[in-house]
Amino acid sequence: KQEVTQIPAALSVPEGENLVLNCSFTDSAIYNLQWFRQDPGKGLTSLLLIQSSQREQTSGRLNASLDKSSGRSTLYIAASQPGDSATYLCAVRVRQSGGGADGLTFGKGTHLIIQP
Amino acid sequence: GAVVSQHPSRVICKSGTSVKIECRSLDFQATTMFWYRQFPKKSLMLMATSNEGSKATYEQGVEKDKFLINHASLTLSTLTVTSAHPEDSSFYICSARNSVSRSRYGYTFGSGTRLTVV
Repeated sequence: KQEVTQIPAALSVPEGENLVLNCSFTDSAIYNLQWFRQDPGKGLTSLLLIQSSQREQTSGRLNASLDKSSGRSTLYIAASQPGDSATYLCAVRVRQSGGGADGLTFGKGTHLIIQP
Repeated sequence: GAVVSQHPSRVICKSGTSVKIECRSLDFQATTMFWYRQFPKKSLMLMATSNEGSKATYEQGVEKDKFLINHASLTLSTLTVTSAHPEDSSFYICSARNSVSRSRYGYTFGSGTRLTVV
């Protein structure tokens, strides 16, 4: 059974710092990996999607890497801002041999606070 | 593109009543939608996979008679919590796979429904 772990569980840093959030998964046979942002009491906003054949994806100040063989992904946030404060979730989709859709397996998230 | 609308955002109901939550894909067709449940300070847990025109597939431990799923069209899936009890209080989120450009959007999520059973 696929398990996703995110470290750290919580992080508080001053504004302007660069930071790295970590995600690991136990089954390397994934279809893709997705990073989400969740604000308190809200739904999920997709940040970056990395296909299993890709090594990284970038969007603005965000960069996500994927090392499928070692079961790891990192989300790099450059020049952090108070508006980046949220919970960041990592999720993987496991490849199905028979095709068809499969739900995502989520980590518990990293609660990030950027201090002004 | 790839917007999923979920309604209602909040609902309070009495024990024993049923509550229906709607999930709509606004600008794409979704043959498959997913329903998740999130407990406080916990991760999202997949409850069931909703397939248009066929029965939903439930994850282990999820009561299909308790959580009724209907996916009658390519843009709408509903989750009905039947005979709700306080332990059903939770945050429910739906998602849909964008079959048109899934390589770009992956899974798109609704804004969630906060259910409180009193």
